[in-house]
Amino acid sequence: GESVGLHLPTLSVQEGDNSIINCAYSNSASDYFIWYKQESGKGPQFIIDIRSNMDKRQGQRVTVLLNKTVKHLSLQIAATQPGDSAVYFCAETRKTSYDKVIFGPGTSLSVIP
Amino acid sequence: DTGVSQDPRHKITKRGQNVTFRCDPISEHNRLYWYRQTLGQGPEFLTYFQNEAQLEKSRLLSDRFSAERPKGSFSTLEIQRTEQGDSAMYLCASSFSLEEETQYFGPGTRLLVL
Repeated sequence: GESVGLHLPTLSVQEGDNSIINCAYSNSASDYFIWYKQESGKGPQFIIDIRSNMDKRQGQRVTVLLNKTVKHLSLQIAATQPGDSAVYFCAETRKTSYDKVIFGPGTSLSVIP
Repeated sequence: DTGVSQDPRHKITKRGQNVTFRCDPISEHNRLYWYRQTLGQGPEFLTYFQNEAQLEKSRLLSDRFSAERPKGSFSTLEIQRTEQGDSAMYLCASSFSLEEETQYFGPGTRLLVL
């Protein structure tokens, strides 16, 4: 069935290194993707988004890459900091329903000082 | 704080009791969403409103669940005759009604049904 999923459930990185979190989606009709960060006890926080007519978008220390050929999405965090430790979710909305955001299961990022 | 707020932040109840949660969206946002999140999982869509109209409901929203947004501002989510399986984080999000708009989430209400 249709799904949004992550390759790795947990990721540990050294402080200062770059982090890459991957996500796969199965529906080629998906046309808008979002990365959220969720810290313990808090709601998801918007990080960055990308539309299907783009393959790369950069923010502050974060970059999202979209490969529609293989239905793959990634989040790159440069110079990872302890404050980046959280669960990261990729999410999608589809052309048939812009309003319903479908979340993947999440990747837990742990930054080692 | 001009973000999405939810009340209460935590709720412990006994099985069979009714509970009601409140969400106050960002003031200029006319769309409001409810999600449920269980431990280790991503949020799951429950329902959403545009202004006061409830436009979509998930199959996850059983007859025991009801949501309202009477004046198109704050919203309430009520769960009747709670069950232990209702234990979860209930998240509210809001957005401004534009194409592919971003949803901004509140801190959630964590429900524990004993």
